[in-house]
Amino acid sequence: NAGVTQTPKFQVLKTGQSMTLQCAQDMNHNSMYWYRQDPGMGLRLIYYSASEGTTDKGEVPNGYNVSRLNKREFSLRLESAAPSQTSVYFCASRDGSSYNEQFFGPGTRLTVL
Amino acid sequence: KQEVTQIPAALSVPEGENLVLNCSFTDSAIYNLQWFRQDPGKGLTSLLLIQSSQREQTSGRLNASLDKSSGRSTLYIAASQPGDSATYLCAVRSVGNQFYFGTGTSLTVIP
Repeated sequence: NAGVTQTPKFQVLKTGQSMTLQCAQDMNHNSMYWYRQDPGMGLRLIYYSASEGTTDKGEVPNGYNVSRLNKREFSLRLESAAPSQTSVYFCASRDGSSYNEQFFGPGTRLTVL
Repeated sequence: KQEVTQIPAALSVPEGENLVLNCSFTDSAIYNLQWFRQDPGKGLTSLLLIQSSQREQTSGRLNASLDKSSGRSTLYIAASQPGDSATYLCAVRSVGNQFYFGTGTSLTVIP
């Protein structure tokens, strides 16, 4: 099992450019999450998907869109990147039961110039 | 809104020492609390998950406790080793499907 995979690992964008971060999991988990991690801020939830076909906003959703393509894949899109979106982005997944832990991908380091 | 705090932000100890990392949260209405380890430039690795109805969980040299009423959790690491050097994060799952993370404690174990 690969667990949670993310592509790309690194990306540099110019202000105003768009891009999509990809996430996939092979654990048959129902719930998937997108976080950003910034120095001194901890991880903050951007969007989550409790099950295939549903998405909900987290703590910091502005400037982002998501798509739960199927049970395995959950993508994060930046339509018009801004320097404030420079961050490390993590995808996570979890079985939908209340008692289960989150598993994280390796992250995508995004720099917006 | 749930606020999660981890103190200290950084800790340095000699090898072999037992140590305690702290995590506090403001809203006691949680489903569970999870401790993670993060190595530099890497993702998060789950260490322990404590349900709201539990008092503690153990895995090897690690023991995590939870006092929901006081909004506190501790991660106890016994006989620390240089390989334990990493950042340790706690996260609480609040009502709904939202998770809130602390900013972490950076641990250095000196050989």
